[in-house]
Amino acid sequence: EPEVTQTPSHQVTQMGQEVILRCVPISNHLYFYWYRQILGQKVEFLVSFYNNEISEKSEIFDDQFSVERPDGSNFTLKIRSTKLEDSAMYFCASRQILNTGELFFGEGSRLTVL
Amino acid sequence: QQPVQSPQAVILREGEDAVINCSSSKALYSVHWYRQKHGEAPVFLMILLKGGEQKGHDKISASFNEKKQQSSLYLTASQLSYSGTYFCGTELASNTGKLIFGQGTTLQVKP
Repeated sequence: EPEVTQTPSHQVTQMGQEVILRCVPISNHLYFYWYRQILGQKVEFLVSFYNNEISEKSEIFDDQFSVERPDGSNFTLKIRSTKLEDSAMYFCASRQILNTGELFFGEGSRLTVL
Repeated sequence: QQPVQSPQAVILREGEDAVINCSSSKALYSVHWYRQKHGEAPVFLMILLKGGEQKGHDKISASFNEKKQQSSLYLTASQLSYSGTYFCGTELASNTGKLIFGQGTTLQVKP
């Protein structure tokens, strides 16, 4: 069964460092997303991406965050200067079609900022 | 914009039934239900489209009341494996397909 894969599974970084989280969405999917989940809380939308550009972003997704799809398969989330409150599980998700299609989640990347 | 789930937590004995509700103040195009176990990714259960559709999968079913913008997840004859946190994700008619998730309902099934 096709799946969304994410690396790394866990990253520990110092405050102020840059972090890149990587995702390989399902190959025939067209819509890509990043969500985050602070421990014990709900899953929060960060950004949606379609046709090589951001289609929507939340207020959480400020100038410290960026996404790109550099090579047609990987989908990355970059946090330029990490803060303690960026510690969370980051989920990549992809979808083949809107409205009726299932949103497939990756296993997540746990980010710990010290 | 965030949907509201109720109850926040449920404790059941094996074999008992539960209902989890999800309400939105916005007109929804679809409602998605996910279950998440501790430390794992959310796992898709089902999608309900506008039109009052009811779906089922094994002993888990759901309904969507378009007039009330409300969805309910029904878990019957619960099993230990049903334990986890259940999230509803709501989708408005848009061209981005983002889901906004409720705060979750923690379900614990005891032997």
